[in-house]
Amino acid sequence: EAQVTQNPRYLITVTGKKLTVTCSQNMNHEYMSWYRQDPGLGLRQIYYSMNVEVTDKGDVPEGYKVSRKEKRNFPLILESPSPNQTSLYFCASSANRVGYTFGSGTRLTVV
Amino acid sequence: DQQVKQNSPSLSVQEGRISILNCDYTNSMFDYFLWYKKYPAEGPTFLISISSIKDKNEDGRFTVFLNKSAKHLSLHIVPSQPGDSAVYFCAADTQGGSEKLVFGKGTKLTVNP
Repeated sequence: EAQVTQNPRYLITVTGKKLTVTCSQNMNHEYMSWYRQDPGLGLRQIYYSMNVEVTDKGDVPEGYKVSRKEKRNFPLILESPSPNQTSLYFCASSANRVGYTFGSGTRLTVV
Repeated sequence: DQQVKQNSPSLSVQEGRISILNCDYTNSMFDYFLWYKKYPAEGPTFLISISSIKDKNEDGRFTVFLNKSAKHLSLHIVPSQPGDSAVYFCAADTQGGSEKLVFGKGTKLTVNP
């Protein structure tokens, strides 16, 4: 089944403790992206990647890092999480930006 | 500044009637537009898209209209069904260059039986 898999689905962590949210797609898509969803703010792009080793900032990249060493994986790294990064995170992939396929989301709480 | 605006946070319609969801954009460089549907506890799913070279695109019960001069697009759902109840996001993109899909804040549609 074609899908984007994010892990974990839920995560509670403490301020400053580094964490990684993994994202993997099995559709051989070139484009991958991370979004966060917050009440009243909709979906905002954090980082995106157009191919292996090609990444760029979205609208809200502060406090996040990404890497694209392999085509299928696009992990989101929070080096020092803070409470304002408490959010619902979505990873997405696309072959040609027509119809992104989204993962099921990761709900992160930073206390 | 908000480049893609969905000014109605919510919309309620009766089953069988038409649902019209609206979206406005400010960036003249946008030339590709998409609608996504999102159920609670799930990721958004792609619904329908339209290129700026068209003014209408239809897929079953879903039709998207684009008015470039007004920088406005709308999604029509006819007839509306209770299973259509979800949050609908409008998104916009530009041809070539970076992959920066910009989303609106979403409109929660409730279709009442």
